[in-house]
Amino acid sequence: GEDVEQSLFLSVREGDSSVINCTYTDSSSTYLYWYKQEPGAGLQLLTYIFSNMDMKQDQRLTVLLNKKDKHLSLRIADTQTGDSAIYFCAERNSGGYQKVTFGTGTKLQVIP
Amino acid sequence: EAGVVQSPRYKIIEKKQPVAFWCNPISGHNTLYWYRQNLGQGPELLIRYENEEAVDDSQLPKDRFSAERLKGVDSTLKIQPAELGDSAVYLCASSFPRTSGHYEQYFGPGTRLTVT
Repeated sequence: GEDVEQSLFLSVREGDSSVINCTYTDSSSTYLYWYKQEPGAGLQLLTYIFSNMDMKQDQRLTVLLNKKDKHLSLRIADTQTGDSAIYFCAERNSGGYQKVTFGTGTKLQVIP
Repeated sequence: EAGVVQSPRYKIIEKKQPVAFWCNPISGHNTLYWYRQNLGQGPELLIRYENEEAVDDSQLPKDRFSAERLKGVDSTLKIQPAELGDSAVYLCASSFPRTSGHYEQYFGPGTRLTVT
């Protein structure tokens, strides 16, 4: 089945850039997503990228996709304390149900 | 516009008791999902509805879990009887149908279930 893996924890200083990495196994992925989850809240969609793209930029967020290596990354420029949260990578496959599989999440800690 | 609404936000029950969770999706979203999120994990799909039809319930433990979406709008997820291992956050999400070309899922705040 599909598998999505992320490192568990990342700590950065305020103002630095953060890079959160994700690897996936499903070669038929169509869309890849980044979600943010703050304590006690549901997941909030941050950005997504179609599988035929290799980069997408949206304000402070840059998504890079290496489809050959099945590697996705999220770069947050000028990281702020409000960016502290858990970030989930997810992929949607091209099967009939177009199921979305989530990674285990990376907890980002921003140090003032 | 209101987001996905879930209730209750928190529930504590003893094992072997029944429990139900309710979800009201975003207006116009025909697709509704129920996920379970264990501590330190990502959400795992339990069931997905297209209108009132359950199109993917392969991960739903059908011996104790049931779900319904009778009028194709709000939905209820039930566990009977609950077990200690059911303690988790139950998330509801909704999206436009696949035919619309918009696939983004919008999540509710979840119901945190504790089984003692």
